[in-house]
Amino acid sequence: NAGVTQTPKFRILKIGQSMTLQCAQDMNHNYMYWYRQDPGMGLKLIYYSVGAGITDKGEVPNGYNVSRSTTEDFPLRLELAAPSQTSVYFCASSPGTANFEAFFGQGTRLTVV
Amino acid sequence: AQSVSQHNHHVILSEAASLELGCNYSYGGTVNLFWYVQYPGQHLQLLLKYFSGDPLVKGIKGFEAEFIKSKFSFNLRKPSVQWSDTAEYFCAVNAGNNRKLIWGLGTSLAVNP
Repeated sequence: NAGVTQTPKFRILKIGQSMTLQCAQDMNHNYMYWYRQDPGMGLKLIYYSVGAGITDKGEVPNGYNVSRSTTEDFPLRLELAAPSQTSVYFCASSPGTANFEAFFGQGTRLTVV
Repeated sequence: AQSVSQHNHHVILSEAASLELGCNYSYGGTVNLFWYVQYPGQHLQLLLKYFSGDPLVKGIKGFEAEFIKSKFSFNLRKPSVQWSDTAEYFCAVNAGNNRKLIWGLGTSLAVNP
């Protein structure tokens, strides 16, 4: 099984550009999450979803948008990229319903210049 | 608010030394507890987890953790570390009706050969 697949692995954006980080899981998990990781700051939750059509904000949602049209896919959209969005982004999924073990994708390293 | 505290931010050990990393959480009810490891440049991987039952949990690569309910703690241990254990270690908790994991800030472990 592929588990959680993120694309791209690396990306350089110019200030003001937009992009979509892709995330797909093949484990039929209901819950999906987007985190950003900055050195020494741990994981910060950006957005999460508890099922298709349902999304909710995490700790740091500003500058990002998500959608969840299918169980498998949970793309993260960056509009008007800013240097503060330079980070490593991780997508994760969990079965949910009393089991919140998180399965992570390989991450996307994004640099905004 | 629920929180997870990892006391040691940076730990440096020599090979064969024993390891104990502290993790405390703030929630009085039922919890699910996790330790994740992140090797340099990689994504987070599950080391071990506690849902219920025996409070001493054994994970991969010789790691274990003990859940002490009265102390709200879930400390990670390894009797003898190896250079390959150099990584960042994250404690995470799912508590109550929360639909996501609450993460500690991580502990960076460096093992000198």
